[in-house]
Amino acid sequence: LAKTTQPISMDSYEGQEVNITCSHNNIATNDYITWYQQFPSQGPRFIIQGYKTKVTNEVASLFIPADRKSSTLSLPRVSLSDTAVYYCLVGDGGNTPLVFGKGTRLSVIA
Amino acid sequence: GAGVSQSPSNKVTEKGKDVELRCDPISGHTALYWYRQRLGQGLEFLIYFQGNSAPDKSGLPSDRFSAERTGESVSTLTIQRTQQEDSAVYLCASSPMGQGSTGELFFGEGSRLTVL
Repeated sequence: LAKTTQPISMDSYEGQEVNITCSHNNIATNDYITWYQQFPSQGPRFIIQGYKTKVTNEVASLFIPADRKSSTLSLPRVSLSDTAVYYCLVGDGGNTPLVFGKGTRLSVIA
Repeated sequence: GAGVSQSPSNKVTEKGKDVELRCDPISGHTALYWYRQRLGQGLEFLIYFQGNSAPDKSGLPSDRFSAERTGESVSTLTIQRTQQEDSAVYLCASSPMGQGSTGELFFGEGSRLTVL
């Protein structure tokens, strides 16, 4: 079973900031939080990863509260090309396999 | 190569035939995953290889599915007596392990299987 829960879908207009929240109430001490993006007919690709507090890279920010039971992926000023499915995973890459949830289908409209 | 390579990219087969799907992980990556993704659905975990440990086969949907991995290299996923419900994209991912690794997955482009 996936260890995460996300909204099934979200809609946004171009240029807006999009925040996708993921719940992971049973996150373990050694688990990292990783977000992936998947376009149609492609494998998922890594967006961002964090353990606690805030992480920012060139494409997104990841906000993780102190209890780590949730995380929020923030996409600044989305464009049509950000239309994709976004998956949140938790795990440590160790003995327990990484299991995907259903993901969030983001639709960006002009 | 620089990334995870999967073959064939597309496979059309008749119901009842056996198929083999191949995955070449990134060199040095000791962890390897197989996932299945049906049209419009999320990724379904199938099997996980981690170094020399026994594989985690808990996601395999039936005994018609099996997978092998040669050391820390190539993996093959075999589906025997294919059924129409096996039609899906089969995705392979590899991941580095060991100290400092955080389990990031690197995916191939997938093998699209169509069972007629």
